[in-house]
Amino acid sequence: DAGVIQSPRHEVTEMGQEVTLRCKPISGHDYLFWYRQTMMRGLELLIYFNNNVPIDDSGMPEDRFSAKMPNASFSTLKIQPSEPRDSAVYFCASGRTQRNQPQHFGDGTRLSIL
Amino acid sequence: RKEVEQDPGPFNVPEGATVAFNCTYSNSASQSFFWYRQDCRKEPKLLMSVYSSGNEDGRFTAQLNRASQYISLLIRDSKLSDSATYLCVVNQAGTALIFGKGTTLSVSS
Repeated sequence: DAGVIQSPRHEVTEMGQEVTLRCKPISGHDYLFWYRQTMMRGLELLIYFNNNVPIDDSGMPEDRFSAKMPNASFSTLKIQPSEPRDSAVYFCASGRTQRNQPQHFGDGTRLSIL
Repeated sequence: RKEVEQDPGPFNVPEGATVAFNCTYSNSASQSFFWYRQDCRKEPKLLMSVYSSGNEDGRFTAQLNRASQYISLLIRDSKLSDSATYLCVVNQAGTALIFGKGTTLSVSS
């Protein structure tokens, strides 16, 4: 079975540019999560969706960050304009509603803002 | 107080050693508990769930103490391939997982 698929795997861009990260969750999973990981702060939850509806976006750092889930098989995380401090690894994960069900992570997108 | 706290380590042990990691969580309403493993420059992967009665998977034993809000992971007979960061994870029903910052283990020959 296909796991969580993220693209791109790596992105290097200049500050001020728009960045769009993409995620395809595992089929049948009704939860989708966006995380950011840095050495200093560890793994931070940015936002999560249930049945394509955003449930909690309190982890989104600023208005420059936005996320959408137009359907059950696709989500985007957008940063506009990007800044060097946004450099991190961004993970998407998906999971099922049932209690004790773990999340499954994608390979991540390594983002570098110059 | 952080929601999930772990000793960051690193723990440096020789092959064959037994090593234990501890984790505490702040929200008494937490219902599900996991240990994830993350290799360098890779995504976190589920190692094992943690059940109230304690559970074992080969060389790995996980225990939960709800009264003390404490979770542990014991690794017996450490292998070189066990070198990784181990993440303690908790959640409440219907919410996102909360990750600790991880404990780094380095097993040497």
